[in-house]
Amino acid sequence: GAGVSQTPSNKVTEKGKYVELRCDPISGHTALYWYRQSLGQGPEFLIYFQGTGAADDSGLPNDRFFAVRPEGSVSTLKIQRTERGDSAVYLCASSLGPSGGSYNEQFFGPGTRLTVL
Amino acid sequence: AQSVTQLGSHVSVSEGALVLLRCNYSSSVPPYLFWYVQYPNQGLQLLLKYTSAATLVKGINGFEAEFKKSETSFHLTKPSAHMSDAAEYFCAVITTGNQFYFGTGTSLTVIP
Repeated sequence: GAGVSQTPSNKVTEKGKYVELRCDPISGHTALYWYRQSLGQGPEFLIYFQGTGAADDSGLPNDRFFAVRPEGSVSTLKIQRTERGDSAVYLCASSLGPSGGSYNEQFFGPGTRLTVL
Repeated sequence: AQSVTQLGSHVSVSEGALVLLRCNYSSSVPPYLFWYVQYPNQGLQLLLKYTSAATLVKGINGFEAEFKKSETSFHLTKPSAHMSDAAEYFCAVITTGNQFYFGTGTSLTVIP
């Protein structure tokens, strides 16, 4: 079946602009995660959705970052007033929902490479 | 807070030689531990995972890892490196909230 898809694959923007990054999770996966991977670093957690609601947004670096998942499927990560330091690969992952404390594997998309000039 | 430390940001091995990538974790509770591989311009692919069953975990492409609680380690090994193993490898630990903490990664180079 189809995996997690992310669009666009590459996004170049200018400092101060607004960008939206889209994630299409695997069908039936109720949990969705956003990560940011800076050059030479491992992915860092940004936000986790369970259904339509953000269950944990503790990783969002500041209020310029926001994410939504209005229908519990597709999610959009929104970045306002972009800065050069926002340049990174933004990864999305999805998994089945909570299962009584056991782990559900997260499946990752290919990422969106954001470059802020 | 939970975290993982990967020793060695770059590892080079000859084709056919043993691959050893090191990962140590810090966790106050028994963790779930993972190794992911990332090929250039591709997403993360799960190699293997430890979820408190057998301490020796076998994964894809001939990789395996051993969970050693006494050493808080989860090192990744492969007996014989292939050219196709050249990639970035990430160790990760998961929280009770199903949130991953990744290490900084180890870039593996395989020398023909």
